[in-house]
This record gives sequence, C-alpha cells and structure tokens, in this order.
Amino acid sequence: QQQVKQSPQSLIVQKGGISIINCAYENTAFDYFPWYQQFPGKGPALLIAIRPDVSEKKEGRFTISFNKSAKQFSLHIMDSQPGDSATYFCAGGGTSYGKLTFGQGTILTVHP
Amino acid sequence: DAGVTQSPTHLIKTRGQQVTLRCSPKSGHDTVSWYQQALGQGPQFIFQYYEEEERQRGNFPDRFSGHQFPNYSSELNVNALLLGDSALYLCASSWGGPHSTDTQYFGPGTRLTVL
Repeated sequence: QQQVKQSPQSLIVQKGGISIINCAYENTAFDYFPWYQQFPGKGPALLIAIRPDVSEKKEGRFTISFNKSAKQFSLHIMDSQPGDSATYFCAGGGTSYGKLTFGQGTILTVHP
Repeated sequence: DAGVTQSPTHLIKTRGQQVTLRCSPKSGHDTVSWYQQALGQGPQFIFQYYEEEERQRGNFPDRFSGHQFPNYSSELNVNALLLGDSALYLCASSWGGPHSTDTQYFGPGTRLTVL
C-alpha cells in the first residue's frame, strides 16, 4: 500500500520541448509529494514539492500537477534544456510517516 | 551554511565484514534518515533517528543498525556484509522528527561495494 509507481522509465526530449513524468501512489495517508533531481554520482536534490490542498504548483520552468481523486501527480519541465538531463524521482510522504517512499526514477535526456 | 555531509565517499569491503558510514546533518536539522539506493533504483528507507532514538524503520534486517549523537550526527552500521548490500547509501536530514513533513535534504552518499 506504500508503493509509488513512476513512468516512463526513460524519456528523450529535444531542447525547448516539454518533459512530462507521471507518478501514481496508493497510500491515501500521504500528504506531501516532492520531486527530486539526481545527477550521476550525486545525492538527490529537491526540485519542487506539493501538498494535496492545491492542484498545481509552479516554480520557474517546473510545474507539479496533482489529482487527489486519481491519486496521481506529474512533473512538467517546460523549455527543457540539456542541463536538465538527469534522473528524476517522485516520492510520497507525510505527517503519518516522515519517511519518503520513492518511485523507481525516470532518466531524462534532453538533446541539444 | 554546510549542507549534509557524508563519509567516506567510497568504500570497498568483502563479504562478512562490517562497515560504518557517517553523516553530519545540515545546520539546524535534528532528524537524520538513511536510505539505500541500488543501481538504477529509487532510494529505499532504512531508518530514521530523532532525539538519539530510532523512530521509524523500513524493511531492512537487524544487520543494519544506527546511532545518533547529541550533536545530531549519525552513523549507519552494517554487519555481516552481503554482496546485495552493494549500493549508494544516502543520508537525509530534516527538522522536527518523524511526524514532520519538513523537506529532507540529501547528502552526496557513500558508495559501498561488497566483493
């Protein structure tokens, strides 16, 4: 019941395009949904996070869309750049858990 | 303001040995969580320390143990190493204990290789 399923496993986008990564969760007790970006050899870095009281959050080129009834959320990267090439992880967590449950990750490649 | 630091960066051990990994949390943080990240996978929660006690534990055997010191730094110990313990071990720090949704900041990790 604590799984977070992430898709696609890998994504190739042209520079300037939109990258979309989707996640679905099972645990309705989750009330915190962060996205992390990880470069090879580095630890995950928080990109953007959302709580279920809002349906969308935007920070610069990054937007999270959240659908509570469907138990799904997604990351949209607008105007994708080669520097965005990394592995992206969604996660679920909350006040009942503290720990984060991560998706399997999406390897994003942005071609110049 | 230093972020989360971990040591060592890399470690090579043989099966059956024991290993200790160390983590210093971000300044102002009092909670340390440990995660194991196998190659090509998302991080898996091992346990969390707050007020020098283990507060939550993931699905990991007792060979994995830890400690938190009064200065909030933490150690992860793994006994009787198996080949399957080879992974990147990540430390994350936050504020407020297990019932806080404060942002978790990750360190760079320790790459453990078991031969």
